[in-house]
Amino acid sequence: ETGVTQSPTHLIKTRGQQVTLRCSSQSGHNTVSWYQQALGQGPQFIFQYYREEENGRGNFPPRFSGLQFPNYSSELNVNALELDDSALYLCASSSPGQNYEQYFGPGTRLTVT
Amino acid sequence: AQSVTQLGSHVSVSEGALVLLRCNYSSSVPPYLFWYVQYPNQGLQLLLKYTTGATLVKGINGFEAEFKKSETSFHLTKPSAHMSDAAEYFCAVTIAGGTSYGKLTFGQGTILTVHP
Repeated sequence: ETGVTQSPTHLIKTRGQQVTLRCSSQSGHNTVSWYQQALGQGPQFIFQYYREEENGRGNFPPRFSGLQFPNYSSELNVNALELDDSALYLCASSSPGQNYEQYFGPGTRLTVT
Repeated sequence: AQSVTQLGSHVSVSEGALVLLRCNYSSSVPPYLFWYVQYPNQGLQLLLKYTTGATLVKGINGFEAEFKKSETSFHLTKPSAHMSDAAEYFCAVTIAGGTSYGKLTFGQGTILTVHP
């Protein structure tokens, strides 16, 4: 059974640029959630995708957007990057009917300079 | 809305000693509660969960937690610490339905240090 994978591992961007982060869900899982973990903090919920539709969103501005594909993989897009967007971005997947039990990938470390 | 408070951002124990990491939650409806562990530069690994039923739940690596509704607590314990337990631990909450279903709310984390 393949776990949740994320790419890239690390990324450095300049303020104002755009970035796309990718996530492949665990086999059999159809729901993907994204979290932002700033240094020294707990993860914060960005949004969740189920059946290619956004299914809940946290307190993040519209420049944070996402997609889910038919194979349940997902992308997180962030436009107009700000210095405060520097963080570890975590993707989690969950199985049908149990989207509260989430399994996390290793994360993408984004640094905005 | 749900919230989680982890008491103590740093906990230090000796190898072989009891580990106790504290978590209190706030929820207006019955919660689902989780403990995750995070090793440096890695993602989160699920240690254990409480949804319904038995209030004492056992997880991986010898950890367990007890759901106490009257105290709104879900403290994590391990009878004997091992060096490999050194990591950061996060308590999280969600609920069984409504708009917050499946959205995990995390505490700030507790860094566990284990001394030889």
